[in-house]
Amino acid sequence: GNSVTQMEGPVTLSEEAFLTINCTYTATGYPSLFWYVQYPGEGLQLLLKATKADDKGSNKGFEATYRKETTSFHLEKGSVQVSDSAVYFCPRRGDFNKFYFGSGTKLNVKP
Amino acid sequence: SQTIHQWPATLVQPVGSPLSLECTVEGTSNPNLYWYRQAAGRGLQLLFYSVGIGQISSEVPQNLSASRPQDRQFILSSKKLLLSDSGFYLCAWSIREKLFFGSGTQLSVL
Repeated sequence: GNSVTQMEGPVTLSEEAFLTINCTYTATGYPSLFWYVQYPGEGLQLLLKATKADDKGSNKGFEATYRKETTSFHLEKGSVQVSDSAVYFCPRRGDFNKFYFGSGTKLNVKP
Repeated sequence: SQTIHQWPATLVQPVGSPLSLECTVEGTSNPNLYWYRQAAGRGLQLLFYSVGIGQISSEVPQNLSASRPQDRQFILSSKKLLLSDSGFYLCAWSIREKLFFGSGTQLSVL
């Protein structure tokens, strides 16, 4: 079946630093891939997605490219802000639109 | 537009007491509905999902149960809470390939 592996956190960066959070997948075919974000005390929300190989998802300055050659969907941002502090999830999507999230990667951005 | 309501926002309950958390969705019909729990050291865990009224599937064995008495209503229950039931409970619904979450209920069992 499909699976994703996400780097563990926490990740601590200074404001304006470059961010990469790794996510790799194994799958038959090319399933859609997602990044969700959870700000403190809130539910999760979709950050970006890519539906096929070589697609790039982007939102709020974040980007992730669906790379079939490396089976990766790493999340990147060129210059993080304190307001980006949150937990980021790269979930696996199963049947009936069930999403499996794991522990996510906690990002702390310091001023 | 679609919205999801979840309540209460916080709840403190003694061990052995019952539980009822409610979630309702507006602006869509026949959604897939989900209950998740987020507990320290255990990540975000899928507890139940439902594809229709009265259709509930459990993902993990546990002390909780779920019901869907109406198309857009999803209820999480327990007859007797355990300490290990403490956590942040999230209701969600899906359309196409997207999942939308409620604001969550922080449950503390003391």
